[in-house]
Amino acid sequence: GENVEQHPSTLSVQEGDSAVIKCTYSDSASNYFPWYKQELGKGPQLIIDIRSNVGEKKDQRIAVTLNKTAKHFSLHITETQPEDSAVYFCTSGGSNYKLTFGKGTLLTVNP
Amino acid sequence: EAQVTQNPRYLITVTGKKLTVTCSQNMNHEYMSWYRQDPGLGLRQIYYSMNVEVTDKGDVPEGYKVSRKEKRNFPLILESPSPNQTSLYFCASSLSTSGGTDTQYFGPGTRLTVL
Repeated sequence: GENVEQHPSTLSVQEGDSAVIKCTYSDSASNYFPWYKQELGKGPQLIIDIRSNVGEKKDQRIAVTLNKTAKHFSLHITETQPEDSAVYFCTSGGSNYKLTFGKGTLLTVNP
Repeated sequence: EAQVTQNPRYLITVTGKKLTVTCSQNMNHEYMSWYRQDPGLGLRQIYYSMNVEVTDKGDVPEGYKVSRKEKRNFPLILESPSPNQTSLYFCASSLSTSGGTDTQYFGPGTRLTVL
C-alpha cells in the first residue's frame, strides 16, 4: 500500500520567517495531494491541495510543489504568523478510496 | 452550518464494555470514514463507506465495526474495547464516493480511554 514520509516532525521558526515541510510518497498511482492543518483540540482542516497534473499551486502565503518523477511534494509557508502554529499533515490519495497521511509536523511560530 | 458531528467528545470506559461513537454529517456527502490518531503515528484509517450499505476496511480495522444504514450517519462500534484502543478518533466525510480524490471534512474528535 501507499507510504507517505513527512519531515521534519517538529519545526520552530521566528515570526515572519518561512517554513518548509517535505513529504515523499511511494505509490506512483497517487494523483491527489492535500495538506491538512490541525489546531489544538480540533479536527484536521484542508488548507491547500494539488493534483498530479500541476507542479505548483499558491494561495496567499501558502504554496505547494509537486515533483511526480521524484515522488516528492512540499508545503511552503511564507511570512509565518503565530496563528500558523499547528500540526500539518501531508496526504496522498488516488482511486483507492482513501487518503494516506504522513505522521505530521508540529510547527511552532515564535513571536 | 455544514458540519460533521461526533458524540461523545470524551469517553472513559472499561475493558469489554461495548460502546458506540456516533458520527453525523449534514452535507449530503457520499463518503464517510473513521480514523484514529495516536502520537507519532499520524491518522490511520479504520473503516470507510462509499455509500449507504457499502463499507470496507481501512488500515487498522481489527476490533471495530461500522454500519451505514443512512447517508448521514456512520457509527463506530467497539464491541469489546481493549486498552490498546485508547486513542483520539475522527470521523470524516467527503462529497464524492471516492474519498481519496476529494476534500475530507473532519469532525471535532472523540477522545476514548479504555481502562
